[in-house]
Amino acid sequence: QKEVEQNSGPLSVPEGAIASLNCTYSDRGSQSFFWYRQYSGKSPELIMSIYSNGDQEDGRFTAQLNKASQYVSLLIRDSQPSDSATYLCAVNNNYGQNFVFGPGTRLSVLP
Amino acid sequence: GAVVSQHPSRVICKSGTSVKIECRSLDFQATTMFWYRQFPKQSLMLMATSNEGSKATYEQGVEKDKFLINHASLTLSTLTVTSAHPEDSSFYICSAHDRLAGGETQYFGPGTRLLVL
Repeated sequence: QKEVEQNSGPLSVPEGAIASLNCTYSDRGSQSFFWYRQYSGKSPELIMSIYSNGDQEDGRFTAQLNKASQYVSLLIRDSQPSDSATYLCAVNNNYGQNFVFGPGTRLSVLP
Repeated sequence: GAVVSQHPSRVICKSGTSVKIECRSLDFQATTMFWYRQFPKQSLMLMATSNEGSKATYEQGVEKDKFLINHASLTLSTLTVTSAHPEDSSFYICSAHDRLAGGETQYFGPGTRLLVL
């Protein structure tokens, strides 16, 4: 079983809709969770981090964490074509200092 | 957020030559830096973890004698691809982590695209 799993997509949503991206992880002891966005040919940029159960909102982005079910999700409201990118879920297992990245979900927002 | 730079952004070299890539944290001290490689349409692959003042920790399958990492200061880590071959052509990305700040976030550099002819 892979440590961090994501649906590779592509996930296509119309402009203005809500995009929902999901991520599951295998290490129950994980404490820190991150969402990164990566445009084609560019390096990842941090969108949000979340550490406790529940929702965390930042503008059009909402991260949701459920440690009991071992999943973390990212909602993008009012999706824009500029949101089209690959979204990487990252989990810090606290065993070391490195993250474990999921394979990424490719999002396409259709105008 | 914290800023991480990489140099060069793009390099083309002949097979058999060595290439050095620099990763710098510009506004914080990076006690730990990470080196990733990403092939087209694939996810990030962690190559090694670089700790200031100590030897790097390499992931399984990554040759430490081919990918030399030096983290001599709190703001600079270098990755040298020795005797590069076409199969080493990839997008190399570093990230930096500031544990002194108490956070766990990794900040990525802009990446270096390596093409070995």
